[in-house]
Order: sequence, then C-alpha cells, then structure tokens
Amino acid sequence: SQTIHQWPATLVQPVGSPLSLECTVEGTSNPNLYWYRQAAGRGLQLLFYSVGIGQISSEVPQNLSASRPQDRQFILSSKKLLLSDSGFYLCAWSAGGADIQYFGAGTRLSVL
Amino acid sequence: KQEVTQIPAALSVPEGENLVLNCSFTDSAIYNLQWFRQDPGKGLTSLLLIQSSQREQTSGRLNASLDKSSGRSTLYIAASQPGDSATYLCAVLGNTGKLIFGQGTTLQVKP
Repeated sequence: SQTIHQWPATLVQPVGSPLSLECTVEGTSNPNLYWYRQAAGRGLQLLFYSVGIGQISSEVPQNLSASRPQDRQFILSSKKLLLSDSGFYLCAWSAGGADIQYFGAGTRLSVL
Repeated sequence: KQEVTQIPAALSVPEGENLVLNCSFTDSAIYNLQWFRQDPGKGLTSLLLIQSSQREQTSGRLNASLDKSSGRSTLYIAASQPGDSATYLCAVLGNTGKLIFGQGTTLQVKP
C-alpha cells in the first residue's frame, strides 16, 4: 500500500533562517506531488505541484521554492524565512491529475 | 475563478443526530469533488470522491451528493458519533487541474 511521510512534524524557526521540509511517498511510482499551506483562519492554498522529477509548477509568488530530486521525494525550501511563512504545510500525492489526493500528516511551522 | 464555500462554518449536534454539511462552488465545469476530514493539527483524510458524471457516493454512514448544474454538494452523516468531531473540507477539481478548497465546517458531536 502507499504511504506518505512528512517531517518534521513541528518546527520553530527564527526570521531569516533557512527552511527545508521533506516529503516522501512509498508504494507508488511517478506520482503527482503537491505542497499546500493552511494558514490560521484560511483555507488550504496550493503552493507547488510536480508531475515528474525536476518539474515544478509554482502557484503563487512567494518566499518559498520546491524541488523534486527523486521520483518520490518532494522538498519545500526557503533561503530566508519571513513571519508570514508561518502555517501548517501539507504534502500530498495522487496517481494522476484527476485522482484522489492523499495527504501527509503535515508540518506546523512557526516563524518567530 | 472557482470559489468554494462551505456553510455552516461550525456545527454542534448531540450524538445520534443525522446531519448535513453543505458545499457550493461557482464554476460548474469540474472534474470531481472530494470531501476530506481533518482532525485538529493533523493532515487530511479523503472521505469520498464524486466524479462529475456521478450524483452520489456512499461510504458507511457517509453519503455525498453532487448537483453540478447548481454548483452544490452535500455530505450527509447518519447517526453521528463523538468520533465524527472534526473539520470537514470539500474541494473541487476544475479544468486548471488544481484542487480548490472550501474553508471547512467544524463539527462537534456531543455525547
């Protein structure tokens, strides 16, 4: 069966520090991969998605970037965190663009 | 631009009650609609997916309906239990290939 892992579960970082969140999927190949952010009082917002290795689409201009160095690995990064980057970050995968999306457990990021 | 609205934002019911959560969307050109459950501080769990050609889907005590022409979906929960307490999110997949989420309905089922 397929599983999705995200880490860390929680993270507290100072403003201006770098960020690296990792997401891996097991039990499937060539998945579509997604990064979402859920800010307090707001809905889920799609940040990035990827349909293959090295292929990244950005949905909103922001301080973050994403990379997909391996088929089942998706990384969310920042060189310098802003206060506004605080939120709950969720990784998801699907077999195709119109298929069910399965979500990881999320990372709670607090930028202080 | 697709917009998804969920009403009510919060709901509190006694255990055993049947209840309906509502979701509406502005653009009827969708591929599918998904209902998710989110427990506090946790990720999303997919509950039901309804393809645009379908009218409803059922899983256990959950039944989701879709009326694409009117831009509405409902999630019916039968015989609610305290374990059903969570936030329920609906999301539509349109021709942009991206899921657009509603803000969610936070449900509390009191024992």
